[in-house]
Amino acid sequence: GENVEQHPSTLSVQEGDSAVIKCTYSDSASNYFPWYKQELGKGPQLIIDIRSNVGEKKDQRIAVTLNKTAKHFSLHITETQPEDSAVYFCAASASHSGGGADGLTFGKGTHLIIQP
Amino acid sequence: DSGVTQTPKHLITATGQRVTLRCSPRSGDLSVYWYQQSLDQGLQFLIHYYNGEERAKGNILERFSAQQFPDLHSELNLSSLELGDSALYFCASSVRAGQGGEAFFGQGTRLTVV
Repeated sequence: GENVEQHPSTLSVQEGDSAVIKCTYSDSASNYFPWYKQELGKGPQLIIDIRSNVGEKKDQRIAVTLNKTAKHFSLHITETQPEDSAVYFCAASASHSGGGADGLTFGKGTHLIIQP
Repeated sequence: DSGVTQTPKHLITATGQRVTLRCSPRSGDLSVYWYQQSLDQGLQFLIHYYNGEERAKGNILERFSAQQFPDLHSELNLSSLELGDSALYFCASSVRAGQGGEAFFGQGTRLTVV
């Protein structure tokens, strides 16, 4: 089955600086890579996703890059703000034609701390 | 607010008991997924239902079962509970059958087995 590794487990950055979280996956059939943000006491919130036919996607201060050959993808947050402090999870899944039903395989999470 | 509703928010029960967790998906979503989140195992996929039918199983124990009803709400049944079953249980919904579409998570049910 799929295995997703995520690094670092904790990341502390100064407010206004950039943060980068990296993930690797093992299953070459995986073709959908979402990122979730989880705040204390809440469920994971989808913040951005990328599919295997795209190398990069950006949404305001958040961007995700995907390297299919190396099987790794990264989350980039620029101009970090205190409200970015949370746990971030990467995930991967294989969505097969006709409606695949595989669940998401998550990384272990990164605790992002924004220092004021 | 993701639009996914889970009840109850908290549940405390004794070992050996049975509980039922409930999930109402976002309006229009046909897929419901159940996940377990624990400190040692992280977020793990349990099971997926689409329009009332089971589509995939992940790391779900035989003591656990789920179903999705005609109104698309889903229930996760956990029986013969053990201390190690204490965890956060999330459901997520998606409009598609495959996980290639956006999945939106509920706020979760925190289960404590004592």
